[in-house]
Amino acid sequence: ETGVTQSPTHLIKTRGQQVTLRCSSQSGHNTVSWYQQALGQGPQFIFQYYREEENGRGNFPPRFSGLQFPNYSSELNVNALELDDSALYLCASRGGAQETQYFGPGTRLLVL
Amino acid sequence: AQRVTQPEKLLSVFKGAPVELKCNYSYSGSPELFWYVQYSRQRLQLLLRHISRESIKGFTADLNKGETSFHLKKPFAQEEDSAMYYCAPNQAGTALIFGKGTTLSVSS
Repeated sequence: ETGVTQSPTHLIKTRGQQVTLRCSSQSGHNTVSWYQQALGQGPQFIFQYYREEENGRGNFPPRFSGLQFPNYSSELNVNALELDDSALYLCASRGGAQETQYFGPGTRLLVL
Repeated sequence: AQRVTQPEKLLSVFKGAPVELKCNYSYSGSPELFWYVQYSRQRLQLLLRHISRESIKGFTADLNKGETSFHLKKPFAQEEDSAMYYCAPNQAGTALIFGKGTTLSVSS
């Protein structure tokens, strides 16, 4: 079992609201990536942070934003929630460019 | 555009039968190729990566750069192999690009 944890496990929001999802990476892992996994689909890359700076972004609008903190934790914030934002949100951390990514269990978000 | 194709959504085999999960990719540069697996009620985890050239749980995968394929194979499937399998290319330091996944169902 890896050391990547995510909270909360499940969340229900209504359209237009804002949500913050949290991830705690393995100690020593400077890179964290966030993915969105819709039902029946593979994970889609949202963005990546390295030492508290965003250094990569997928095809997601600016209302998806993030933060990474020095204590190996990070956040994914989504503003103005839409129904299509309903998905499993995964974070993954790694210690270096060549290292394996370790995934958390995910947060399942339902937007009504 | 970077793209991964896993043509089979579901692959059903009997225990002891050979398994091949197909993966084709379109990716600029020279990516590293990975297979990730998700067992029921467990998190996504690495199964194998092509540079390791390992056999993990009896699975192997050969990278064919000419055909841009990275098919996952196992000669004799076991019931515990039932899971969702994702192929993912990756350039060092960047994010994984996942296919839609193949559900492998092994029955006795």
